[in-house]
Amino acid sequence: RKEVEQDPGPFNVPEGATVAFNCTYSNSASQSFFWYRQDCRKEPKLLMSVYSSGNEDGRFTAQLNRASQYISLLIRDSKLSDSATYLCVAFLYGQNFVFGPGTRLSVLP
Amino acid sequence: GAGVSQTPSNKVTEKGKYVELRCDPISGHTALYWYRQSLGQGPEFLIYFQGTGAADDSGLPNDRFFAVRPEGSVSTLKIQRTERGDSAVYLCASSPLPGDTQYFGPGTRLTVL
Repeated sequence: RKEVEQDPGPFNVPEGATVAFNCTYSNSASQSFFWYRQDCRKEPKLLMSVYSSGNEDGRFTAQLNRASQYISLLIRDSKLSDSATYLCVAFLYGQNFVFGPGTRLSVLP
Repeated sequence: GAGVSQTPSNKVTEKGKYVELRCDPISGHTALYWYRQSLGQGPEFLIYFQGTGAADDSGLPNDRFFAVRPEGSVSTLKIQRTERGDSAVYLCASSPLPGDTQYFGPGTRLTVL
């Protein structure tokens, strides 16, 4: 079983739609979680950190459920420019960052 | 300010050759990470430096891979006797402290023929 799992997609959604991605992690001791965005043939860039209480940044909302060991990302009012691969990341201090395989999103006009 | 830089951006080599990939982290960042990313996969951890020392090298696939960071800044990933399976994008990231947000470089695309 992989440490961080994601549905690879692709998710094809129309502009303006709301889309949600889930991610599960296997190490219950993981301390920090992040969502990164990666455009085709580019490096990953931090989208947002994920806090236990949940957090929102504009159209993006991240949630963490430690009991079920999953993280979610909700994107509201999708834009064409949101098309990318979204990487879920878990971190355990003293170990390292573990990336999921990514979920590919295509927002269609 | 300047971000993480990596050189070369592309490297094509022949099976069995030796290659060096360089990473210049953001100034002042003590933590430096190397990852390998294959098509359709997320970045796969290779090695992590805290300062000059390799704090965790558990991701290095075998002893053909080695990395150094002699002065706690620039790092070099070295691959001996390259194999076709080594072809991937090699990403470097740095962060101010372990566990902080990582900032990635543009990567080096390695192709082993």
